[in-house]
Amino acid sequence: QVQLQQSGPGLVKPSQTLSLTCAISGDSVSSNSVAWNWIRQSPSRGLEWLGRTYYRSKWYIEYGLSVKSRITVNPDTSKNHFSLQLNSVTPEDTAVYYCAREPNYWQSFDLWGQGTMVTVSS
Amino acid sequence: EIVLTQSPGTLSLSPGARATLSCRASQTLTYGDLAWFQQKPGQVPRLLIYGASKRATGTPDRFSGSGSGTDFTLTISRLEPEDFAVYYCQSYDDSRTFGQGTKVEIK
Repeated sequence: QVQLQQSGPGLVKPSQTLSLTCAISGDSVSSNSVAWNWIRQSPSRGLEWLGRTYYRSKWYIEYGLSVKSRITVNPDTSKNHFSLQLNSVTPEDTAVYYCAREPNYWQSFDLWGQGTMVTVSS
Repeated sequence: EIVLTQSPGTLSLSPGARATLSCRASQTLTYGDLAWFQQKPGQVPRLLIYGASKRATGTPDRFSGSGSGTDFTLTISRLEPEDFAVYYCQSYDDSRTFGQGTKVEIK
C-alpha cells in the first residue's frame, strides 16, 4: 500500500523559506512512470499546483508559473522522498500544502499526503 | 495556462436527486486530460474521474464524467448523503490547473 507522509514546520516567518518533505512508502521516487507533485490550497487561491519531479531515464522538474521564481522541488533517492522549498514567503503563501502522486501520464493525482497547514506570520 | 470555470458555484439538492456539474476550459483539452475530485471538510481531495470519463478505483458507478474539447460534465445519478461535498475539475494535459469548485449542499 502506497503512502505519502509529509513533514515540516507549520509556521514560517515572512521573507524566510518554507521547507516541506514528502516521504514515500510502497513506491519509489525514481519510478519510471510516476510523477511526484506539490499542491497547495487556500481560501483565496483555491487549489494551486506548484511543481513536480519525475524520472524518465533522467530527472525532470517542472514548476507552476505563479511560483516559478521562488520554488525548488528536489528528489532524494537515498531517502525515497521529495522536498519543497519556497523562498521569500509572504502571508499570501499561507495555505495547506499537499504532496501528491501522478501514477502515470493519463491519470492525474490518485494519492495525496495528509496535508500540512503552513502559516506565514511573524 | 488553461483556466477552468466551474458552474454553478453551489448546487442545493435533496438526497436521491440527480446532480449535474459543469467545467469549461479556456482552451481545448486535446487528449481529454480532465479529472474530477471530491473534497469533504477537513479531508484531502479524492480522485473520482480521470480522462474525462474513466472512474478511478473505488468510485461508485453513480458518478459519471463526460465531455470533450472545452466542455465537461460530472453527473451524480442519485445523491447519497455522503456525496454532499465540494467538487473540483482539474486539467493535466500540459499545465495543471484546478477549477474553483462546486459545492453540492443538502436542500
